Amino acid sequence: GDSVTQMEGPVTLSEEAFLTINCTYTATGYPSLFWYVQYPGEGLQLLLKATKADDKGSNKGFEATYRKETTSFHLEKGSVQVSDSAVYFCALKSTGNQFYFGTGTSLTVIP
Amino acid sequence: GAGVSQTPSNKVTEKGKYVELRCDPISGHTALYWYRQSLGQGPEFLIYFQGTGAADDSGLPNDRFFAVRPEGSVSTLKIQRTERGDSAVYLCASSLQRDTEAFFGQGTRLTVV
Repeated sequence: GDSVTQMEGPVTLSEEAFLTINCTYTATGYPSLFWYVQYPGEGLQLLLKATKADDKGSNKGFEATYRKETTSFHLEKGSVQVSDSAVYFCALKSTGNQFYFGTGTSLTVIP
Repeated sequence: GAGVSQTPSNKVTEKGKYVELRCDPISGHTALYWYRQSLGQGPEFLIYFQGTGAADDSGLPNDRFFAVRPEGSVSTLKIQRTERGDSAVYLCASSLQRDTEAFFGQGTRLTVV
């Protein structure tokens, strides 16, 4: 069945460091891929998405490229800020009705 | 409203009691989802509505769980004879159509004591 595997955390980085959070997926067909973010005390928010192979989603300095050959959708940011501290979830939606989420990766950015 | 609204934000109930959790989706969104998130885990699918009908309830863990959306807008998740293992954050999400991204509410934290 469909599933998402993402890098386990927690991840702690210094401000302005480079961030990568790995995400790989298993899916039938051609899924859409998403990164959601959950800031402390808030609900899940869509960060970015990509709907087909080689698409790059981007938002707030974050980027992720839909790689069909490696079934991956890794999240990257060139220079993280303290305000990026949150839990990040990789997700996919395929031909079915539901979103499949990874277990989440907690990121803490220290000044 | 501006976003998906869930009430209550917190609910503490005794084992064996009945609870109802409410979700107000974004106006005009036809698709509505319920998810459950346990500590340290990603959200797990419970049920999906397209309009008034439950198009996919394959994620409901057992027959103690039931959800309705009678007018195609507000939805209520109902849990009978609650158990301590039901403790989790229950998330509601809506989307304009089935194939577009979902917008999540802040969730209802259910604690069964």
